[in-house]
Amino acid sequence: SSELTQPPSVSVFPGQTARITCSGAILSTQYAYWYQQKAGQAPLLLIYQESERASGIPERFSGSSSGTTATLTIGGVQAEDEAHYYCQSGAVGGLYYVFGSGTQVTVL
Amino acid sequence: QVHLVESGGGLVKPGGSLRLSCTASGFRVSDYYMSWIREAPGKGLEWISYIGGRGGAIYYADSMKGRLTISRDDAKNSLSLQMYSLRAEDTAIYYCARDVRGGFDSWGQGALVTVSS
Repeated sequence: SSELTQPPSVSVFPGQTARITCSGAILSTQYAYWYQQKAGQAPLLLIYQESERASGIPERFSGSSSGTTATLTIGGVQAEDEAHYYCQSGAVGGLYYVFGSGTQVTVL
Repeated sequence: QVHLVESGGGLVKPGGSLRLSCTASGFRVSDYYMSWIREAPGKGLEWISYIGGRGGAIYYADSMKGRLTISRDDAKNSLSLQMYSLRAEDTAIYYCARDVRGGFDSWGQGALVTVSS
């Protein structure tokens, strides 16, 4: 299967830790990537190759992976972190990319 | 500074065609794999096509295969996406994006395509 499954929503209080999972068989052979998308804006790359932070991304964003599940962790969540978050697999067979279903993070 | 600007979006009737363009600055599109990614209303992101590197490799997502042509103009430092036989479900914001290390590190602001009679 070439699907990536994410929880539809995650709610967290300011200062707490948010964890967003992304599950799919593809991730056993491909890196995971993570994006943040705020309303009316283009996605922003947060994490590449599973755990590397993209340029300018705060340290509170981190990525990890185990088996077929990748996790984006937001430590010390801030109000500005309220957004949609998407995972993405690297090019499967060098041919196509798959995005996860997306997770809405709500800061309570 | 890396910058991508899409153009060509608009309203098109079902069955119609539309051509989107993406102009890059701050880097050469011929040095990277460049993709088109769309976001339908209320739905998530969907990768639909890439054109890559000096060899110009091309691939299309199954969902739009046969209805897309991606191309690149190195002299203009731009890429294009010709879409055919458009359907209501193709209504979306279409983004061009640059692939670096397998992820998309730069995105345009998006072009809205609305397919409606």
